[in-house]
Amino acid sequence: RKEVEQDPGPFNVPEGATVAFNCTYSNSASQSFFWYRQDCRKEPKLLMSVYSSGNEDGRFTAQLNRASQYISLLIRDSKLSDSATYLCVIRSGNTPLVFGKGTRLSVIA
Amino acid sequence: EAGVVQSPRYKIIEKKQPVAFWCNPISGHNTLYWYLQNLGQGPELLIRYENEEAVDDSQLPKDRFSAERLKGVDSTLKIQPAELGDSAVYLCASSGGASSQETQYFGPGTRLLVL
Repeated sequence: RKEVEQDPGPFNVPEGATVAFNCTYSNSASQSFFWYRQDCRKEPKLLMSVYSSGNEDGRFTAQLNRASQYISLLIRDSKLSDSATYLCVIRSGNTPLVFGKGTRLSVIA
Repeated sequence: EAGVVQSPRYKIIEKKQPVAFWCNPISGHNTLYWYLQNLGQGPELLIRYENEEAVDDSQLPKDRFSAERLKGVDSTLKIQPAELGDSAVYLCASSGGASSQETQYFGPGTRLLVL
C-alpha cells in the first residue's frame, strides 16, 4: 500500500460547484498534514495545513480523520482559477514530506 | 522578498552527458531540499541539507547523482552520466528549519529532457 493515496481524477466540475477530494495515508504515526496546490508547469505551493479540529480558509475546508487515516479538502463555489492539481502531503515527526500523486481539478465555465 | 531561484529552467541533453542544476534558497533559510517530480507524480525527495550538511540523502542514486552545498547557501545537483529515465522536473525547496511547522517553499524547477 502506498504511503499516500489520492484519486488522480480529473475532476471536471462547473463553476460554482462544490467538490471534495480525499486522501488516505498508511502511516498511523503521521503527525502533520497539508494540502499543496500545483498549477500546470509550475511549482507546488502550500494551500493550507490540516489541523485535527478541521480548519477553513475562505472557500476551502480541510478535515482530518485520524481513526480512518484520511484527510479531505472541500472547495465551495468553485472558480475557474481553482483549476490545478491538489497534492496531499503528510509528515511523520522530522521525516521528509511525503507527497501524493495529486488530484487534478478542472473547473469549467 | 525573492523566492527560491533555480537555473536553468529547461535543459535538453543527450544520454550519457553530464548536467548540473543550481538552486539559491530564500535568504536565511537553513534547510534546502532537492526533489524529483515525474509526470503525473508528486515530488520525491532526493536530498535534504541542514546548512552545509546533507542530513538525508537516502533516496539519492549515488552512482550517478551528486549534490553539494558548500557554504550552506546555494546548492548544485549533478547527474553524470544522464540516462533517458532521468527526464523529469527537478525542484528545489527551502524552509527556515526542518521541523514539521516550517513551510517549504519551492522554486520553479528545472525541466530536464534526456534524448
